[in-house]
Amino acid sequence: EADIYQTPRYLVIGTGKKITLECSQTMGHDKMYWYQQDPGMELHLIHYSYGVNSTEKGDLSSESTVSRIRTEHFPLTLESARPSHTSQYLCASSESGVLGEKLFFGSGTQLSVL
Amino acid sequence: KNQVEQSPQSLIILEGKNCTLQCNYTVSPFSNLRWYKQDTGRGPVSLTIMTFSENTKSNGRYTATLDADTKQSSLHITASQLSDSASYICVVSDRGSTLGRLYFGRGTQLTVWP
Repeated sequence: EADIYQTPRYLVIGTGKKITLECSQTMGHDKMYWYQQDPGMELHLIHYSYGVNSTEKGDLSSESTVSRIRTEHFPLTLESARPSHTSQYLCASSESGVLGEKLFFGSGTQLSVL
Repeated sequence: KNQVEQSPQSLIILEGKNCTLQCNYTVSPFSNLRWYKQDTGRGPVSLTIMTFSENTKSNGRYTATLDADTKQSSLHITASQLSDSASYICVVSDRGSTLGRLYFGRGTQLTVWP
């Protein structure tokens, strides 16, 4: 079944640790995205990719990095986590059509940095 | 400034009742508007898409409307069910870039009580 997967679902870590949030999709979509979502707030785009070896920064200033070595895989890395990074991180891929982009989201990673 | 405003911020209704959620936008140019449903602890899922030429579109008990002149959209839920409890997010896409930039509202948190 085509889907988009994120791991881990929950992560609690200490300040200064390096972490990688995993995202994989089986739909063959070229475009993938990372969004940050805080309670009651809109989603903010932090990174996106048009395809393999293509990555761009989004609207929200972020200290994270991403890579796109394979079409299906779009991991996000924080080199040194801080309490300000505590948030929900959503990965998405999109299907292009004449009506524009339709986003398919993973279930998210809830990150807590102590 | 391109913005998407949703109201109300939160809403509580009894099971079986109808409700209407509002989305006002200032995004220009305009390509399309999507409504997403986000269950607690999950990623958003697309409910419906509205383009410039469409006024009304239904998806089961969900009916979306669009008034491109006043830049307003609504999502009407008929005969609400407990499973309708979720956050409903309005997302507007412009035509200003190849990617079609997306603007997110903060969502309306709907709670359906038995």
